[in-house]
Amino acid sequence: QPVLTQPPSASASLGASVTLTCTLSSGYINYKVDWYQQGPGQGPRFVMRVGTGGIVGSKGDGIPDRFSVLGSGLNRYLTIKNIQEEDESDYYCGTDHGSGSSFVWVFGGGTKLTVL
Amino acid sequence: QVQLVESGGGLVKPGGSLRLSCAASGLNFSDYYVSWIRQASGEGLEWVSYISGSGRTINYADSVKGRFTISRDNARNSLFLQMDSLGAEDSAVYYCARVFPGDYYMDVWGKGTTVIVSS
Repeated sequence: QPVLTQPPSASASLGASVTLTCTLSSGYINYKVDWYQQGPGQGPRFVMRVGTGGIVGSKGDGIPDRFSVLGSGLNRYLTIKNIQEEDESDYYCGTDHGSGSSFVWVFGGGTKLTVL
Repeated sequence: QVQLVESGGGLVKPGGSLRLSCAASGLNFSDYYVSWIRQASGEGLEWVSYISGSGRTINYADSVKGRFTISRDNARNSLFLQMDSLGAEDSAVYYCARVFPGDYYMDVWGKGTTVIVSS
């Protein structure tokens, strides 16, 4: 099954932009990845899905236009423009693998985004 | 508005059992796969188990296989997780999540219920 790798931390100044990276393990280049946002003390919230061609489907409810995604090779990116204080969260990428009774989901270790 | 509300968490001794519930509203529950995901304190997300809309297809993470049992009652719009032989490593916040049909991402999450395994 795939392994997803994320840097543990990132930071950006208020109003700036930041790009978070999720890297798939070798052999899974065609996999789509889902981004989730988890604010302090909250449950995760679906942001959007990304494949090599960019966004797949629709953004999650209430996700602002400042959030966008790109995919390239084994990397799946989440970019946040004009960062706001409320964007300070943990961001996880995840993907599904298999089918039927062998369906599993895997998550990256998460990136903690600090807004300076 | 779709809502998922977990309950049943608490403090349990090592080797003990606990049954978590997830009450769903605002959706045709039987149409959806649902999943349990957990998060140990200060750690990342770990998928635990999923069940298909009919309840006929189920899978578990290796870390809980043989100890946890997922089930659902579509008439009561409820999801369950029976947890047996609990160990300290099972201490976590447990979330239930709806799986978006066809694309299989978790599009709606509950707020979680906390399980602490300690003597």
